[in-house]
Amino acid sequence: DVKVTQSSRYLVKRTGEKVFLECVQDMDHENMFWYRQDPGLGLRLIYFSYDVKMKEKGDIPEGYSVSREKKERFSLILESASTNQTSMYLCASRASGSRADTQYFGPGTRLTVL
Amino acid sequence: AQSVSQHNHHVILSEAASLELGCNYSYGGTVNLFWYVQYPGQHLQLLLKYFSGDPLVKGIKGFEAEFIKSKFSFNLRKPSVQWSDTAEYFCAVNTYSGAGSYQLTFGKGTKLSVIP
Repeated sequence: DVKVTQSSRYLVKRTGEKVFLECVQDMDHENMFWYRQDPGLGLRLIYFSYDVKMKEKGDIPEGYSVSREKKERFSLILESASTNQTSMYLCASRASGSRADTQYFGPGTRLTVL
Repeated sequence: AQSVSQHNHHVILSEAASLELGCNYSYGGTVNLFWYVQYPGQHLQLLLKYFSGDPLVKGIKGFEAEFIKSKFSFNLRKPSVQWSDTAEYFCAVNTYSGAGSYQLTFGKGTKLSVIP
């Protein structure tokens, strides 16, 4: 079974703090993704990576950055957290670039910024 | 840009009722379509997907979806829902990212509440 794990299920941070969200997958997948999920807005793509050290902006990259130094790990960074970044953050991974491949999701990190 | 519309924000059904959740997408070319489900407290998981061939796709737990190209639709159906189907359902379409890979564009989701 594919496993995507995220470092924390719940996180509470203060405005202005630097926040790191970590994601690890164990299936040697090339592609990894970060989404945020908000009620009534569905899932919105923040960043994705199709290879080590490669990254591409998604639909809402402002206020976020990412890092992928190793194939299995994809980190989302909030340089200076703000209250409007309070959300559920989902990491996902997918094997190759085949358009039919399934995307597998982690359990999510619920981040609250006070 | 691709977009996915899910017409119902919240659907409430009694057990044994039939279910149909609407999904429309905007892209006119070759598409791959997915339905994901998120049960309360659990992570998103794949329910079914359409890649090519038979437009009627069967998934897990008795769900099916029909791809109708002329209507740009991929509606999810189940003949008889159970309380355990209470969840949020997301329709998604593949979008070519231009970086040699594909990414999913999701609809806003439909919450299904099944009353025992």
